[in-house]
Amino acid sequence: ETGVTQTPRHLVMGMTNKKSLKCEQHLGHNAMYWYKQSAKKPLELMFVYSLEERVENNSVPSRFSPECPNSSHLFLHLHTLQPEDSALYLCASSRGQFATNEKLFFGSGTQLSVL
Amino acid sequence: DAKTTQPTSMDCAEGRAANLPCNHSTISGNEYVYWYRQIHSQGPQYIIHGLKNNETNEMASLIITEDRKSSTLILPHATLRDTAVYYCIVRVNSGYSTLTFGKGTMLLVSP
Repeated sequence: ETGVTQTPRHLVMGMTNKKSLKCEQHLGHNAMYWYKQSAKKPLELMFVYSLEERVENNSVPSRFSPECPNSSHLFLHLHTLQPEDSALYLCASSRGQFATNEKLFFGSGTQLSVL
Repeated sequence: DAKTTQPTSMDCAEGRAANLPCNHSTISGNEYVYWYRQIHSQGPQYIIHGLKNNETNEMASLIITEDRKSSTLILPHATLRDTAVYYCIVRVNSGYSTLTFGKGTMLLVSP
């Protein structure tokens, strides 16, 4: 148990569907992240939120829309995805700004399949 | 962030020490060496990090060479549950962490 909870654990969706991934952290952290891990590829950073403001957006297509309503919750809204978007989506958190020993705490991920 | 080089895969017998090397010859003076591991279909897990001194915690030891151009992660008594991909990352230790994960080393611990 890392203190970062992701739901759902598995998701199958069609290309015309709209779905959302949810992440919640119980660690009192100020920064939250979305990573994508496609099969046999390294993790790719998608978005970073620090103190509820988006500070990084690594050229992610607009069909992925993040939302951070407060420092404990992070969402990834999905719409009109493509089959190549099938991947493991990982959420992470860290103490963030002003921390001197930054460590990322990851959730278990959502395994997404787009049909 | 400095680039790292790790072997693609390594094998280790259960109960023996696993020594995972990492080269980071372009590391800057203010960059730390971090190690994470990822067990299949789970999120990565922080193991240890250090700047220039050797470090030890309940999971592992980190040995950094004096010139800081390479390091070794040591799992003193590997178990089957240590089978995972191990990532070596170098990064400035401040602010939020945009860690860049490479391909890592796949460590297979066998009975």
